[in-house]
Amino acid sequence: QKEVEQNSGPLSVPEGAIASLNCTYSDRGSQSFFWYRQYSGKSPELIMSIYSNGDKEDGRFTAQLNKASQYVSLLIRDSQPSDSATYLCAPWMDSSYKLIFGSGTRLLVRP
Amino acid sequence: DTAVSQTPKYLVTQMGNDKSIKCEQNLGHDTMYWYKQDSKKFLKIMFSYNNKELIINETVPNRFSPKSPDKAHLNLHINSLELGDSAVYFCASSQSQVKSDTQYFGPGTRLTVL
Repeated sequence: QKEVEQNSGPLSVPEGAIASLNCTYSDRGSQSFFWYRQYSGKSPELIMSIYSNGDKEDGRFTAQLNKASQYVSLLIRDSQPSDSATYLCAPWMDSSYKLIFGSGTRLLVRP
Repeated sequence: DTAVSQTPKYLVTQMGNDKSIKCEQNLGHDTMYWYKQDSKKFLKIMFSYNNKELIINETVPNRFSPKSPDKAHLNLHINSLELGDSAVYFCASSQSQVKSDTQYFGPGTRLTVL
């Protein structure tokens, strides 16, 4: 089982729709979770972090965490073509002081 | 003012050569990292340093040797380059090693080994 699993996509949504990106992780000890966005040819940049079960909202982005199910998701409301990128899920491993990145989900927002 | 900078941005070299990549951060962070992103976009940590001390040393060939002259700089030297070393190498920094602080990434160095 991979440490972090994401659907590679591409996930294609029309402009204005809600994009839902999902991630599962294997380490039950993970307490902190990060979503990074990476445009083609660019470096990853942090979108959201979440530490507690439930939802965390920041503008058009909502991160959702369910530690019992070892599941974290990112919702993007009112998707824009500029949101087209690869989204990387990354749990923090307290036991080894490192982020483990998923392989990412490529999102395409159609105008 | 670039927070995390890397040089060079592109590096094209022949198999067997030795090359270095430099990284500098001006954020005042204590911890710096090297990541490798392969052709399938999988981003994997290689090394981390906290205040010039090596913390993480993943299963990386010993042809790769990091050096941290001070906490603002982390360089990566690669000996005897191989075709499989072709990838994008990202440097990153965070406030600390212990807490899960935000990591800020440099622009990356695209290494191509011919």
